[in-house]
Amino acid sequence: DIVMTQSPEYLAVSLGERATINCKSSQSVLYSSNNKNYLAWYQQKPGQPPKLLVYWASTRESGVPDRFSGSGSGTDFTLTISSLQAEDVAVYYCQQYYSTPPWTFGQGTKLEIK
Amino acid sequence: EVQLVESGGGLVQPGGSLRLSCAASGFTFSSYAMNWVRQAPGKGLEWVSYISSTSTTMYYADSVKGRFTISRDNAKNSLYLQMNSLRAEDTAVYYCARDKPLRFDPWGQGTLVTVSS
Repeated sequence: DIVMTQSPEYLAVSLGERATINCKSSQSVLYSSNNKNYLAWYQQKPGQPPKLLVYWASTRESGVPDRFSGSGSGTDFTLTISSLQAEDVAVYYCQQYYSTPPWTFGQGTKLEIK
Repeated sequence: EVQLVESGGGLVQPGGSLRLSCAASGFTFSSYAMNWVRQAPGKGLEWVSYISSTSTTMYYADSVKGRFTISRDNAKNSLYLQMNSLRAEDTAVYYCARDKPLRFDPWGQGTLVTVSS
């Protein structure tokens, strides 16, 4: 199984500052036939289900604010929030969907306001 | 509006059974694969099971293989998860999620399953 490891587990950032969350996969999730990284990012606010933010590692889901961006390729990925807003307090998860299941998630990164 | 609503959760004794349902609306259910994902209290997300749009392909996490069965009724726009031989470690909120494909969107609000004596 592909193991997804996020860092840090906890992150405190001031309002308006940049937040950076990292995700590393135990093997490449880059599909050579289409040059796509099979990686997604989700946001989960307290008491709510997860919400899709980014897929194919860097494609923002419709309706997601452009302060959210994904980057990376192969085994190393980053979710960046360019200017933290109060409503961004949440737990963020990366997920790989490379090949056949199981499709695995990172352990989550809890983002708070400093 | 695309909507998924889970039901069927509750308290069950170890070794017992439970059937979860997920009612879909706002999209052509029969065109999409579906998934179940669970989240133990205070923990992260764990993918549980997948079913293709026509029920020809199913996948399960090793942790539930042989105990859980995923199914769907496209005429009723509904997804199911039959859970047998339940264990304490199956205690979690269970979400159904549309396969978009290969990423999960949207998710339902979830239904809580508690396995305890």
